[in-house]
Amino acid sequence: EAGVAQSPRYKIIEKRQSVAFWCNPISGHATLYWYQQILGQGPKLLIQFQNNGVVDDSQLPKDRFSAERLKGVDSTLKIQPAKLEDSAVYLCASSTPSGTGGYEQYFGPGTRLTVT
Amino acid sequence: GENVEQHPSTLSVQEGDSAVIKCTYSDSASNYFPWYKQELGKGPQLIIDIRSNVGEKKDQRIAVTLNKTAKHFSLHITETQPEDSAVYFCAASVPGASKIIFGSGTRLSIRP
Repeated sequence: EAGVAQSPRYKIIEKRQSVAFWCNPISGHATLYWYQQILGQGPKLLIQFQNNGVVDDSQLPKDRFSAERLKGVDSTLKIQPAKLEDSAVYLCASSTPSGTGGYEQYFGPGTRLTVT
Repeated sequence: GENVEQHPSTLSVQEGDSAVIKCTYSDSASNYFPWYKQELGKGPQLIIDIRSNVGEKKDQRIAVTLNKTAKHFSLHITETQPEDSAVYFCAASVPGASKIIFGSGTRLSIRP
């Protein structure tokens, strides 16, 4: 089966500009996650969708970050305006509940954002 | 909330030797513990996971052990090979939520 797709793979912007990332999850996966991974750190959850509804956005800086998943499949994450500290890899993951209560998450290749 | 600590941050082993990475978690109600491998320029890849009703799980050269009493779990890689060089992340589930919290990662290097 096809994995999680993300685009673009790389993006360089100046501070105060805006940027958008796109994610297409594994077919049939109802849950979609966006993570921020700063160099040398583990992924940090930004927002979690179940179908087209937000389950958890407690760590999303809502003054500049927004995300949507309008039809319960593809998702976009936007930053406006970008700051230098937003330089990171943005990872998308998807999952589907398993019978024993675990939620195996499958990650895309990520988008490396550099803000100058 | 849940917190996951991972050690060591870097690990260098001779090819053919074993490597062990350790993690501790804070919430005793966590019940799912995956391990991810991340190669340069790629997203994390799930390599093995364990649930709280199991003490050990093995898949070829990789094994994971879980000690619920002590709230720690470990990844064991035997007969290491050059392709095992990568950053490894442990994670623990957040009770009552379908999400996981990651450790800070271990950069594993295999010396030829």
